[in-house]
Amino acid sequence: DQQVKQNSPSLSVQEGRISILNCDYTNSMFDYFLWYKKYPAEGPTFLISISSIKDKNEDGRFTVFLNKSAKHLSLHIVPSQPGDSAVYFCAASVWAGNNRKLIWGLGTSLAVNP
Amino acid sequence: DVKVTQSSRYLVKRTGEKVFLECVQDMDHENMFWYRQDPGLGLRLIYFSYDVKMKEKGDIPEGYSVSREKKERFSLILESASTNQTSMYLCASSFVGGTGGEQYFGPGTRLTVT
Repeated sequence: DQQVKQNSPSLSVQEGRISILNCDYTNSMFDYFLWYKKYPAEGPTFLISISSIKDKNEDGRFTVFLNKSAKHLSLHIVPSQPGDSAVYFCAASVWAGNNRKLIWGLGTSLAVNP
Repeated sequence: DVKVTQSSRYLVKRTGEKVFLECVQDMDHENMFWYRQDPGLGLRLIYFSYDVKMKEKGDIPEGYSVSREKKERFSLILESASTNQTSMYLCASSFVGGTGGEQYFGPGTRLTVT
């Protein structure tokens, strides 16, 4: 049973517009959420994270919003650029003993069209 | 700068061969992970290690083993490669407990088993 769900396998937006990638989770024990970006034939790179005690975190063109009551988070990219075309993974972090474990969504492929 | 390296970017092996995938990190991280990524299936955890000579099974350990003789090095072993092990293999590392459990990834190894 998937604890982290990215319900849109793909998304297409025009350059300069906003991209919104969504992620839902089921486990209320998750206390951090992370977004990663992955280009083909490369490893994922960390993009931005948010603590469960916050509802928004911003870093340049990237903003993550967290709605704990709905168990939902979203990544906003404004403005979208062609170089943002990649697969975006949502991950939730939870303590497992003395260490942390990441639970991953299946990813959303974003295409930004010039 | 954080650095995770993997021994090969592309590898082609025959069915039944023993395959070694090597991963080295230079960040003095305690934790190391092996994932495989397949289209539509996201990142699936194969094995992980929280300390030298320690290993734990992830979600899909069947057909794989690992070795961690030194803190910086984590090896994934396919005892007898099969065609269903054709995949992108990703190594990652992280600090124990780090703020949100952020993991740093290597560039990946694209393994093809024929």
